[in-house]
Amino acid sequence: SQQGEEDPQALSIQEGENATMNCSYKTSINNLQWYRQNSGRGLVHLILIRSNEREKHSGRLRVTLDTSKKSSSLLITASRAADTASYFCATDAMQGAQKLVFGQGTRLTINP
Amino acid sequence: DAGITQSPRHKVTETGTPVTLRCHQTENHRYMYWYRQDPGHGLRLIHYSYGVKDTDKGEVSDGYSVSRSKTEDFLLTLESATSSQTSVYFCAISDSQGGLYEQYFGPGTRLTVT
Repeated sequence: SQQGEEDPQALSIQEGENATMNCSYKTSINNLQWYRQNSGRGLVHLILIRSNEREKHSGRLRVTLDTSKKSSSLLITASRAADTASYFCATDAMQGAQKLVFGQGTRLTINP
Repeated sequence: DAGITQSPRHKVTETGTPVTLRCHQTENHRYMYWYRQDPGHGLRLIHYSYGVKDTDKGEVSDGYSVSRSKTEDFLLTLESATSSQTSVYFCAISDSQGGLYEQYFGPGTRLTVT
């Protein structure tokens, strides 16, 4: 049972452009998290947004959450080659915030 | 990598053999997780632990067992490895930060079952 699903599956943009990735989920959540995975490495936590928050910023990252639509978006502004990675959203369940369900990820490629 | 190590990092084994993967943490986090990552399936939870000797099944637990005899170590055992268990395995840890649980991942173990 896939809770979070990212869209698009792959995204290729030019350096300096903004990248937007979307995540949809199915059931009520406590919070939603975004992770980055560089090729051959483990996932790295980027940002967490609570269910009662609508928007959150961290550096060049901007996350929005619409609980009525059960969707979230991750915006990376002024992209850099180092942003090339896969990005995953992860959601918990209302009961058991310790467990996360990950989507299949968006593969982002930044072209120089 | 937040004080998480996995061993081995790479392993090739034959069908039918038992395999044990180890996850070791130095963060004293309560929760530990084992995931597998496969193309087209993302990251799927195999088992997790919420304390010493306290474990529970995840989404894809068939064919796997786990043990946690110490806070710092979480072992994943494939009782009799099959080719379908060829995958990259990730360990993760978390603990409550005001009721929120960010997860920190190890570097992964690439397992090939021939």
